[in-house]
Formats: sequence, C-alpha cells, structure tokens
Amino acid sequence: DIQMTQSPSSLSASVGDRVTITCRASQSISSYLNWYQQKPGKAPKLLIYAASSLQSGVPSRFSGSGSGTVFTLTISSLQPEDFATYYCEQTYTTPAFGPGTEVDIK
Amino acid sequence: QVQLQESGPGLVKPSQTLSLSCTVSGGSFSSGTFYWSWLRQPAGKGLQWIGRVYTSGSTNYNPSLKSRVTISVDTSKNQFSLRLSSVTAADTAVYYCARDYGPGTMIDHWGQGTLVTVSS
Repeated sequence: DIQMTQSPSSLSASVGDRVTITCRASQSISSYLNWYQQKPGKAPKLLIYAASSLQSGVPSRFSGSGSGTVFTLTISSLQPEDFATYYCEQTYTTPAFGPGTEVDIK
Repeated sequence: QVQLQESGPGLVKPSQTLSLSCTVSGGSFSSGTFYWSWLRQPAGKGLQWIGRVYTSGSTNYNPSLKSRVTISVDTSKNQFSLRLSSVTAADTAVYYCARDYGPGTMIDHWGQGTLVTVSS
C-alpha cells in the first residue's frame, strides 16, 4: 500500500499569509495527486488535480506542484474563506488520502 | 449542475449490513464519462475511499474492505448503492457518494454525506 503523509498536521496563519502544505508518498506516484479542501460539516471540494491543474472555479491563489513522492499545495494569499482542512489524495493505485492539514486563524 | 444525495438508515446494528443509496441528478449519470464512488469519514478522522462503479456495472473496491463491500448501479433510477456487511462500531462514519472520473483521476462532485452509526 502507498502511504500518504502531510506536514504540518496543523498551522495557524493570518489573512494575507502565504501558506504551503507538503504531502509525501511512500513511493513514487508520478503526478497522480489531488488536493481537496474540507470545511466542518461539509463534503470535500476538489482544488487541484494531477498535481498542478487547477479545478474549474477554484481561485488562482491556490496552486499545486511536485511529482514522484513530494508535492506541495500553496495558497499565495490566505483569505478568510480558506480556513479549513486540506487533504491530498493519491490515485496511482487504490485511492488513499493523507491525514489532513488543518489551517486555522492565528 | 450535477447533484448527489445519499439516503438510507442512520443506525445499523453490529453484524448487520449497512445499505445506502445515492441518487444523481443533473444529467451526467449515464453519459459514460464518469464512475460513481463511495467514501467515508469517521468523526474527526480522515477520508477513506470504499469503491466505485461504472454504469456498465463494473466495480473497483478498496482491498481493505473488498470482502464486505458491494457497490451496484441502477441506471433506470439514476442511482448507485453501497452494501457493507458484518458491520462493527469501526464502520461508524459519514458516508459520501461522489462523481469520479475513474482510475488515476479525481473526484469532482460529492454528496452532502450521511452519518451512519453502528450500535445496538
């Protein structure tokens, strides 16, 4: 099984901050990596697919990069509506999610 | 705009079978482009992919649950369903149905989720 890890597990940031979340796979997954945002009590929302492609309708302040085993999600200027938990997902094999990164208000 | 809605019992007894349905509206169900997935999320924990079905009826399952899972499709009703047998308290979770572009791709639309509690 491919194991996914995320760092940090949580972070506190202010509106306007640049935020970077890292996702690591236990083996190479090429670019089969997606990012989702989840707010409390809501279903996840797709932000980035195939490591770096921005889903339609998602603000351009979100970007993704990486390939192989290390991936990053960057929010260039954090907005109030971005406080949420972020999950990476690998789809190279049986889909599996990382444990999540909670972004809260500093 | 596609919409997905889960339905089914919110309480299931241990050792019994959990059964949920997902109704899809918005016109894309039988287009042949998409797969239809089930996922779950225990309270305060991460997401687990359970499996997917294509409109032909072909399925893919998470190996960790495969022995207990059946996902089926009813194209006449724009529905797909999940059955999870021999449930225990560890199966208590919010269950989501979702639209999936297929193996190696991504999930782009989710239902709102439904809480299923396993308890006697």
